[in-house]
Amino acid sequence: DQQVKQNSPSLSVQEGRISILNCDYTNSMFDYFLWYKKYPAEGPTFLISISSIKDKNEDGRFTVFLNKSAKHLSLHIVPSQPGDSAVYFCAASDGSNYQLIWGAGTKLIIKP
Amino acid sequence: KAGVTQTPRYLIKTRGQQVTLSCSPISGHRSVSWYQQTPGQGLQFLFEYFSETQRNKGNFPGRFSGRQFSNSRSEMNVSTLELGDSALYLCASSLQSSGRAGGQYFGPGTRLTVT
Repeated sequence: DQQVKQNSPSLSVQEGRISILNCDYTNSMFDYFLWYKKYPAEGPTFLISISSIKDKNEDGRFTVFLNKSAKHLSLHIVPSQPGDSAVYFCAASDGSNYQLIWGAGTKLIIKP
Repeated sequence: KAGVTQTPRYLIKTRGQQVTLSCSPISGHRSVSWYQQTPGQGLQFLFEYFSETQRNKGNFPGRFSGRQFSNSRSEMNVSTLELGDSALYLCASSLQSSGRAGGQYFGPGTRLTVT
């Protein structure tokens, strides 16, 4: 039973355009969400997070949106750059548990 | 500041053997978490240690164990290896708890192949 789902295994976007990566969750107790980026042969690196008291968090080209009623979050990258090609993971946790629950990841490919 | 280091980077073992993986967190970080990554499964949480105590554990069999030393370095052990244990094992450190701090810092992982 996957509590965090990333339904798109891969996504291809033209350089300069917007990339939108999606993540759905089932546990209504989740109150903190994170996005990580992973290059081959490296560990994931933290990108951006959002608390459930917010519906949007922005950091440079990266914006995360949270829709609590739909149990859905998305990561927007604008504009997309070749260096953004990587696997993106979303993860979630609740206030009573230190454990992060991870999605399966979405491979983003930025085409020149 | 040095990042999270994991040793060895690659390992090949045969079924039935046991293996020990090592992780050195970022200096000052007290929380160390271990994850298993397999294709299409994302990161599966194994356990988290904080100040030498196991604070949380994922749904893995007892063949998977770990410990943390007073200098925050951590080891994980897998006994009686099975083919399905072939995966990338990632270690992550953070200042406080794994799920609440501003993100964890990951090492490059140990690629374990069981034949």
